[in-house]
Order: sequence, then C-alpha cells, then structure tokens
Amino acid sequence: ETGVTQTPRHLVMGMTNKKSLKCEQHLGHNAMYWYKQSAKKPLELMFVYSLEERVENNSVPSRFSPECPNSSHLFLHLHTLQPEDSALYLCASSQDETWAIEAFFGQGTRLTVV
Amino acid sequence: TQLLEQSPQFLSIQEGENLTVYCNSSSVFSSLQWYRQEPGEGPVLLVTVVTGGEVKKLKRLTFQFGDARKDSSLHITAAQPGDTGLYLCAAPMDSNYQLIWGAGTKLIIKP
Repeated sequence: ETGVTQTPRHLVMGMTNKKSLKCEQHLGHNAMYWYKQSAKKPLELMFVYSLEERVENNSVPSRFSPECPNSSHLFLHLHTLQPEDSALYLCASSQDETWAIEAFFGQGTRLTVV
Repeated sequence: TQLLEQSPQFLSIQEGENLTVYCNSSSVFSSLQWYRQEPGEGPVLLVTVVTGGEVKKLKRLTFQFGDARKDSSLHITAAQPGDTGLYLCAAPMDSNYQLIWGAGTKLIIKP
C-alpha cells in the first residue's frame, strides 16, 4: 500500500452535482490536510485535522465540507461547486500538526467543474 | 503577510547544464523545506534546512539556506530529464502551525 492514497484521480462534475473525494493514509500519522492547487498559485491549505478533530478551516466556502471519521481516512464532500473550483485537490498527512514536520502527499484528484 | 516568492517561474534547459532556482522572502523563518512535484503526482519532500547558512547536498542537488534565514536556493549540477518537475519551497508561519508555500518553479530538462 502506498503511503497516502486519493480517489478518484480525475473527476468531472456539473455545478449541481454532489460528489466526494476520499483520502486514506497507511502511515500511522495523526494529522491530515486538504490542499487546493491551482496553476501558477501557491498551495492553499483548506482544512487540517489532528486526531480526527478539525483544527484549521481557512475560510473555505461551505460548498466544501470535510469529514474525518478516523485518523486514517479523510473525505471532502463537494456540492454546488463553481467553475473556479476546478483545480488539483491534494490530501496530505504528517506525524502531527506542528510545523516543520514532513508532509506526505497523495497523488491528488484533478477536479473539473463544468 | 508572510510570502515566499520563487524565481524563475519557468525554466527549460538542455540536459547536462547547471541551474539555480530561488526562494525569497522578507520574513525570517525558523526552517524551510523544498519539495519536488512530478506531473500527475503530489509533492515529495527533498530537504529541510534549519540553520542560517546551512548547505545540504542530495546527489546533484545542493540546497542553501540564507544566513539571515530569509531565502534559500536550489542548485542542480548536470541536470537530467529525471529532474523535470515543479520545485516548491515551503516554510512555517509564525502565527500558527501552517506551512506557507511558494508558487513553484516549473523545470523542464530536455534530452
């Protein structure tokens, strides 16, 4: 099993659809993250979970809803998205949520909103 | 506002050439990380530098943290097509536990 696995790898959805992104980590880490990566822009941290508790929510619109049922799984539920939400969504995990700790990333989900 | 600026944004060179990319800020950081992201993959950590003036080597890659801990550089010697990718720098914010990220340097090494 690879360290951090994201599914699906690619997703095309209409603005009225509801979909979910899934992330699973097999590293025994306590912290998990959702990032948004758009072309030529820095990675944008969306959510941070530590021991299944949300510790950061960076003013993300409510059309993005995270869920962390346990320390190995993280979901991002999507509904009524906008075309500008099209991007690469990356999940990451680390031993804990303190800085300077190596983050391990999944391969990402390439999301296109039409 | 703490920012990391990476330059150049894009670099395309021939195999065998040397190159340097930069990560600059007006802020002082306690540490700085470099990641490489290959097409279709997530970023992978290459190195963390912690001490001002520190130099770390990873095969043909040499990383340097500025004396004032405001900037960093990555030098690649005799670049190879396998070095192609997006090089990202990241550093921890003062105010919380988040990393801030540069926008990256997209590097293409032509055979």
